[in-house]
Amino acid sequence: RKEVEQDPGPFNVPEGATVAFNCTYSNSASQSFFWYRQDCRKEPKLLMSVYSSGNEDGRFTAQLNRASQYISLLIRDSKLSDSATYLCVVTGDSGYALNFGKGTSLLVTP
Amino acid sequence: GAVVSQHPSRVICKSGTSVKIECRSLDFQATTMFWYRQFPKKSLMLMATSNEGSKATYEQGVEKDKFLINHASLTLSTLTVTSAHPEDSSFYICSARVEGDTEAFFGQGTRLTVV
Repeated sequence: RKEVEQDPGPFNVPEGATVAFNCTYSNSASQSFFWYRQDCRKEPKLLMSVYSSGNEDGRFTAQLNRASQYISLLIRDSKLSDSATYLCVVTGDSGYALNFGKGTSLLVTP
Repeated sequence: GAVVSQHPSRVICKSGTSVKIECRSLDFQATTMFWYRQFPKKSLMLMATSNEGSKATYEQGVEKDKFLINHASLTLSTLTVTSAHPEDSSFYICSARVEGDTEAFFGQGTRLTVV
């Protein structure tokens, strides 16, 4: 079983739509969780950290369920500029190195 | 946020030659840097953890004699792909973290093509 699993998509949604991405991880000892955004042929950039209490940053809401080892990202009022690949990222045993999911591709259309 | 600079951004080399990729933390010191590889439509895979002043730690399946890592200072780690083969063609990315911070900062990546 892969350490971090995501639905690769692609998710094609119209502008203004709400879209949700899910991710599961296998290492119950993982301590930190993130969503990164990666544009085509670019390096990943941190979108937001994910906390057990859930956290929101503008149109983006992240949730963590430790019992189910499940992470989610909700994007409201999608913009064309949200089109990218969203990577679910989890720290490993050491708490330092990052394990990446394959990413979920999002395309927001006019 | 902190800045990590990676160079070169793109390189094409002949089979059998060696290529060196540099990763620099510009505004912070990084005792640990990470090297990842990403094949098309695949996830980033950790290759090795680079430790300043000591040997790198390689992930299973990554040949340490082929992917030489040197972390001679707190702001520079280098990855040398030796005797490159076409199957080494990939996107190589380094990352570093500020001590005590959870956010990882990535270099711009190096797209290596071996012909």
